Amino acid sequence: NAGVTQTPKFQVLKTGQSMTLQCAQDMNHNSMYWYRQDPGMGLRLIYYSASEGTTDKGEVPNGYNVSRLNKREFSLRLESAAPSQTSVYFCASSAQVFTTDTQYFGPGTRLTVL
Amino acid sequence: QKEVEQNSGPLSVPEGAIASLNCTYSDRGSQSFFWYRQYSGKSPELIMFIYSNGDKEDGRFTAQLNKASQYVSLLIRDSQPSDSATYLCAVEGGNNRKLIWGLGTSLAVNP
Repeated sequence: NAGVTQTPKFQVLKTGQSMTLQCAQDMNHNSMYWYRQDPGMGLRLIYYSASEGTTDKGEVPNGYNVSRLNKREFSLRLESAAPSQTSVYFCASSAQVFTTDTQYFGPGTRLTVL
Repeated sequence: QKEVEQNSGPLSVPEGAIASLNCTYSDRGSQSFFWYRQYSGKSPELIMFIYSNGDKEDGRFTAQLNKASQYVSLLIRDSQPSDSATYLCAVEGGNNRKLIWGLGTSLAVNP
């Protein structure tokens, strides 16, 4: 039981390049989330998926797109990376969206945009 | 005004002491409160959650909730150097019940 896995662990991009961050969970959770964490800003929700087939914007969705590929997988895409997107990205999952269910986090992807 | 406020610290305590971490929140309708621990360079992991006023104990950790005063705290008894981390408070709030995260309090336990 791996929990929540993310790939890649580290990535360096040039401005304007695109990339997709992958996330998978093996806990049969319905809900999945993408956060970014920046010094002084804390954890901010980018997008979430309450259940397979649905996605919704979070607090900071601009510049990102997501795909809930199936119940296990939730990907985050940067179409044209900008230096402001330099951050640590965490994927998380929970049994049900928000409510009182614990969110389990992946190990994170450290992204630098030059 | 941030919706979830935490003292950024660092909070420094000697080994074996009680560490007290505090969190205040603005949404009176919030029902669920979480404490996560995050080691440097790692992802957040849940320590405790609390829903009802009063205390909830789990081993060396005690969460305290006072909805009237809108604060939640985390006490760590017999602090160990391995407790040195950033502690994040998360509060369920808003009509869509999203988690609102504090910026975290950095705790250093000195041997």
